[in-house]
Amino acid sequence: GQQLNQSPQSMFIQEGEDVSMNCTSSSIFNTWLWYKQDPGEGPVLLIALYKAGELTSNGRLTAQFGITRKDSFLNISASIPSDVGIYFCAGQFNDYKLSFGAGTTVTVRA
Amino acid sequence: DAGVIQSPRHEVTEMGQEVTLRCKPISGHNSLFWYRQTMMRGLELLIYFNNNVPIDDSGMPEDRFSAKMPNASFSTLKIQPSEPRDSAVYFCASSRIRGVISGYTFGSGTRLTVV
Repeated sequence: GQQLNQSPQSMFIQEGEDVSMNCTSSSIFNTWLWYKQDPGEGPVLLIALYKAGELTSNGRLTAQFGITRKDSFLNISASIPSDVGIYFCAGQFNDYKLSFGAGTTVTVRA
Repeated sequence: DAGVIQSPRHEVTEMGQEVTLRCKPISGHNSLFWYRQTMMRGLELLIYFNNNVPIDDSGMPEDRFSAKMPNASFSTLKIQPSEPRDSAVYFCASSRIRGVISGYTFGSGTRLTVV
């Protein structure tokens, strides 16, 4: 399947900071998705993007679908302790198969 | 909405034993997916069902793995015989329509340990 490169692999954040992570691909996608996984749970969909250039917000989260259709970023503003977890990007080209990034582990610095 | 329900949440078994993981998708969802998550390989799609029919099983590791969906509200993933390298978290996910228009909804997973 298509390879997604997600970065950074991990990050420590201070409460109140803004956070950014991104995904790139060598192939184009028709849909970009961002998921969050809490310990012991399955990934939960945060934001779905369907058009190149689309910028979508969900509360303190903002994500964009890159113009080239090969990248996407996720921003978290004013981070809080419950933002801790693993964030996954996922891209879809055909009608059902998702390719997942390796994840960005977010930890809040005490 | 109860979400996607998986059982058991944890399973510890001895090498060589048969393991059966169960999944109840969200009512009305017609697509069901089994994923495996490991530190080394991340999230891997094992098999995809649409309207209870297996469409893509190219991710199933080998003949020891089999999956069934006898009806729209139930699916199983069976490993026989199990091996230590099968240890992972197995997720079931469901979706409405063929795709991500409504997004995949994942279950809480089954953590399998084969000793």
